Amino acid sequence: QVQLVQSGPEVKKPGASVKVSCKASGYTFTSFHIHWVRQAPGQGLEWMGMINPSSGFANYPQKFQGRVIMTRDTSTRIIYMEVNNLKSDDTAVYFCARGLGGVVTTIPRVFDYWAQGTLVTVSS
Amino acid sequence: DIQMTQSPSSLSASVGDRVTITCRASQSISTFLHWYQQKPGKAPKLLIYAASSLQSGVPSRFSGSEFGTDFTLTISNLQPDDFATYFCQQSFIGVTFGQGTKLEI
Repeated sequence: QVQLVQSGPEVKKPGASVKVSCKASGYTFTSFHIHWVRQAPGQGLEWMGMINPSSGFANYPQKFQGRVIMTRDTSTRIIYMEVNNLKSDDTAVYFCARGLGGVVTTIPRVFDYWAQGTLVTVSS
Repeated sequence: DIQMTQSPSSLSASVGDRVTITCRASQSISTFLHWYQQKPGKAPKLLIYAASSLQSGVPSRFSGSEFGTDFTLTISNLQPDDFATYFCQQSFIGVTFGQGTKLEI
């Protein structure tokens, strides 16, 4: 069965970086985009970007360009997201999620399977 | 950016009721509108994609419809497991989520 499992909680100081991992299993790893979505405490959902595990190409909304880097390791089936220059308002639960329909889809950026989430706390 | 305005922000209902949640897009998004359910401490779960397509494994009491830039999620015959927060999401340009609707008993 499709499963996404993320790394554990992190506590970081402002200005630091954090790297969260997402391990995929139960499907063809290179056939589906992986997206990252975050949720600040008690708040809504915010999309941070996506990566094509086959090509390694990543796409970020303008808000996160230059501060977020998504990479993948096809040998271990792990996707990584690194967020640099952390601020207190980056405190959130970060989710990875699989894109519905595969890398060639007529309905892009819909998320059918999600991991459990990783709490990242940024505090001095 | 495309804004998604979801209403109501909270809703009280009883088991067996029929409820409707609305999402309005700030511009045309075709049918690139999707609905998720989220329970406390859990990841969101996809319910409906492309405005009205039921995700595999989701009960048929969930349905979605589209009226131009207005979209609705209807839950018929509410079950105890349905009390949760619901989010809409557009994927016509980028990704934007609605603010959420908390469905309470």
